[in-house]
Amino acid sequence: DGGITQSPKYLFRKEGQNVTLSCEQNLNHDAMYWYRQDPGQGLRLIYYSQIVNDFQKGDIAEGYSVSREKKESFPLTVTSAQKNPTAFYLCASSMRTSGRERTGELFFGEGSRLTVL
Amino acid sequence: GQSLEQPSEVTAVEGAIVQINCTYQTSGFYGLSWYQQHDGGAPTFLSYNALDGLEETGRFSSFLSRSDSYGYLLLQELQMKDSASYFCAVRDTANQAGTALIFGKGTTLSVSS
Repeated sequence: DGGITQSPKYLFRKEGQNVTLSCEQNLNHDAMYWYRQDPGQGLRLIYYSQIVNDFQKGDIAEGYSVSREKKESFPLTVTSAQKNPTAFYLCASSMRTSGRERTGELFFGEGSRLTVL
Repeated sequence: GQSLEQPSEVTAVEGAIVQINCTYQTSGFYGLSWYQQHDGGAPTFLSYNALDGLEETGRFSSFLSRSDSYGYLLLQELQMKDSASYFCAVRDTANQAGTALIFGKGTTLSVSS
């Protein structure tokens, strides 16, 4: 079945360690996104990518890095520079559109919950 | 920049109708989306309004007024399984070619029997 797979589902990290969250999609979508969710904060955009080898910072990119070497994959690295990394991380994808075409639908993975010990 | 405002919590009983409002502020506008998220799960797409008016999909409807920068999600014949968080979202207009969505903080709907 087509969809988005995030791994790991749960991850524990010691302070000062970098960790990488995996996101893979087989929907043939051009655009992929990373959001962070904290209680009461909604979803905040970290990074997004419209095409391979290109990505843009979102509202809270500091302390995070991404790569987009393949259309299917958009891994997120949470670096030691991220001061408060404990959160629920959601990856999403969508068709790449521009202008006024229908752009309201994102497909989300099941999320990765990161806890810093 | 963009900002969205929606109530933090709404409570209702089974069978009732509830309306979740969303006001937004954007430099450009490409439509208002609604998502549902059950506790600990992935958000799922509910509806999208690009033009003024009401869009109906089963028990859920979504309304948009672009002149008022306002929309709402209407849930009818509420069921216990509708207890979830509901988010409104607009497209990020900082990058004209981008498709990233900016989300509101969410409304937690609690349905009781």
